[in-house]
Amino acid sequence: NAGVMQNPRHLVRRRGQEARLRCSPMKGHSHVYWYRQLPEEGLKFMVYLQKENIIDESGMPKERFSAEFPKEGPSILRIQQVVRGDSAAYFCASSPPAVSYEQYFGPGTRLTVT
Amino acid sequence: AQRVTQPEKLLSVFKGAPVELKCNYSYSGSPELFWYVQYSRQRLQLLLRHISRESIKGFTADLNKGETSFHLKKPFAQEEDSAMYYCALSGRVGKLIFGQGTELSVKP
Repeated sequence: NAGVMQNPRHLVRRRGQEARLRCSPMKGHSHVYWYRQLPEEGLKFMVYLQKENIIDESGMPKERFSAEFPKEGPSILRIQQVVRGDSAAYFCASSPPAVSYEQYFGPGTRLTVT
Repeated sequence: AQRVTQPEKLLSVFKGAPVELKCNYSYSGSPELFWYVQYSRQRLQLLLRHISRESIKGFTADLNKGETSFHLKKPFAQEEDSAMYYCALSGRVGKLIFGQGTELSVKP
């Protein structure tokens, strides 16, 4: 089992461009979580998804950010019209059904907005 | 408000010394608490959870509801314990709330 995969590992975008971050959960895991880590801070919850469903998006900024976890393929975190303040490490985690506390983390995507 | 506080950004100890990483939380209900660890160049991984009451790699953590604390302890630190440690709280299914993290440095 390769573990949670995230790509790209590093992403550089200019202000105003779109950023797409991908996350493939561990085999057998149907729950995906996205967290953001700003410099010098801990991880902050963004969104919790199951296949084709958003379960909890209480941590998502109201504008420009969206997430999906389609029936087939990876989960995508999409940031439109990026700004410098979006520069951060974005981590994805997955868990098996009914064991949501046991989250397995990916290596993260470091987004830099220039 | 739900919050996890780790007051120490960096904790430096010598090998063989006891270590305690502090964690305080704020939550109105009955939370589940966890410690996650990130070794250099590795992914964040679950170290232990309070419900299991087990010892992992010599680390233990006791939930003190009166003091709303969940400090991580180890009687004799080893160099391989050097890592970032994050205390986390889960109040609702799926959502983990992390502290800012404490970097533990164990010197030879």
